[in-house]
Amino acid sequence: QKEVEQNSGPLSVPEGAIASLNCTYSDRGSQSFFWYRQYSGKSPELIMFIYSNGDKEDGRFTAQLNKASQYVSLLIRDSQPSDSATYLCAVSGFQKLVFGTGTRLLVSP
Amino acid sequence: KAGVTQTPRYLIKTRGQQVTLSCSPISGHRSVSWYQQTPGQGLQFLFEYFSETQRNKGNFPGRFSGRQFSNSRSEMNVSTLELGDSALYLCASSLSGTGGTDTQYFGPGTRLTVL
Repeated sequence: QKEVEQNSGPLSVPEGAIASLNCTYSDRGSQSFFWYRQYSGKSPELIMFIYSNGDKEDGRFTAQLNKASQYVSLLIRDSQPSDSATYLCAVSGFQKLVFGTGTRLLVSP
Repeated sequence: KAGVTQTPRYLIKTRGQQVTLSCSPISGHRSVSWYQQTPGQGLQFLFEYFSETQRNKGNFPGRFSGRQFSNSRSEMNVSTLELGDSALYLCASSLSGTGGTDTQYFGPGTRLTVL
């Protein structure tokens, strides 16, 4: 079992729709959870992080964390073609940060 | 504040050669982590340096090595290059290192091609 798992996609959504990206992790001791966006040929850029169970909103983005289910998700509201990228989930434990392989999102006009 | 910088941005080498990549972290950040990214494997952790000491190491052969200087700048070296070493090498800096609540910020990467 991989430490951090994501569906590779592609996840295709129409412009204006909500995109839902999911991530599961295996280490129950994980403390922090990060979402990065990576455009093709570019380096990952941080979108947001979440530490506590529940939802955290930042603009069009909402991160959701459920530690009991070892599940973290990212919702993108009003998806735009410019959101088309690979989204990486990263999970942090004791002196360790593990990345998932990413989900490719395609937003069609 | 300036972001993480990496040099060179692109590099072409032949098998058997060695290469050195450089990373300058965000000012004030003391931790530098290195990752290898390939289409098939995703982001693979190489090692982390904090205050000039290697604190964590991923599952890579000894051909991959690194160091950190007193100004927190870091270098990564790959000796005896193999075709499979072709990848995007990413450096990330953070205040106090991986783990906990610290956030890593990535540089633009060095694209290494081994012929």
